[in-house]
Amino acid sequence: QVHLVQSGAEVKKPGSSMKVSCKASGGTFSIHGISWVRQAPGRGLEWMGGISPMLGTAKYAQKFQGRVTITADESTSTAYMELNSLRSEDTATYYCARYEQFGDPLDYWGQGTLATVSS
Amino acid sequence: SYVLTQPPSVSVAPGQTATITCGGNNIQSKAVHWYQHIPGQAPVLVVYDDTDRPSGIPERFSGSNSGSTATLTISRVEAGDAADYYCQVWDSSSDLVVFGGGTSLTVL
Repeated sequence: QVHLVQSGAEVKKPGSSMKVSCKASGGTFSIHGISWVRQAPGRGLEWMGGISPMLGTAKYAQKFQGRVTITADESTSTAYMELNSLRSEDTATYYCARYEQFGDPLDYWGQGTLATVSS
Repeated sequence: SYVLTQPPSVSVAPGQTATITCGGNNIQSKAVHWYQHIPGQAPVLVVYDDTDRPSGIPERFSGSNSGSTATLTISRVEAGDAADYYCQVWDSSSDLVVFGGGTSLTVL
């Protein structure tokens, strides 16, 4: 059984950065991709980007281009999402999710990481 | 960019059938996936590639896709089906993942 376990809640100041991790177990990390999806309070699911660990290539939603970096460490089966220049609108629950090939459904999800950006 | 349009809310009585739509330009040419999201929990994939169900998802959940509308149908609705439902596609022209705005299902 595949499990994605994310790092704990974050409280950040505006203008700072945060880095959320997503550790995979129960599958072959390198042959699957990891997407990051967030949900702000009262809003819907929003895709931020994804990475193929085997290829090491990441794709990003235009909205987050230049502010988000998604990486993966095959040695620890862990994916990371770093978001810079945080603002209050980035307060959200951030999820990682696995896919087979880019564009495939997100079949396993992490438990979510709540990030609060506040002065 | 590709846009997916869902009704904000749908209400249905227990035992009845809920129909949730997802509109998009020529969406029939894309593979549509559906997720159930109960607040405070991780989203769950309930239908993928228009019509297929992951293992463990009840047969009450079914999907279709034709023309400019994809549809998630939940038969014999139960109280536990109350959740937000999202459709999702991969837009090949932009090579990006797109979610619909979500539909809140209320079980009366």
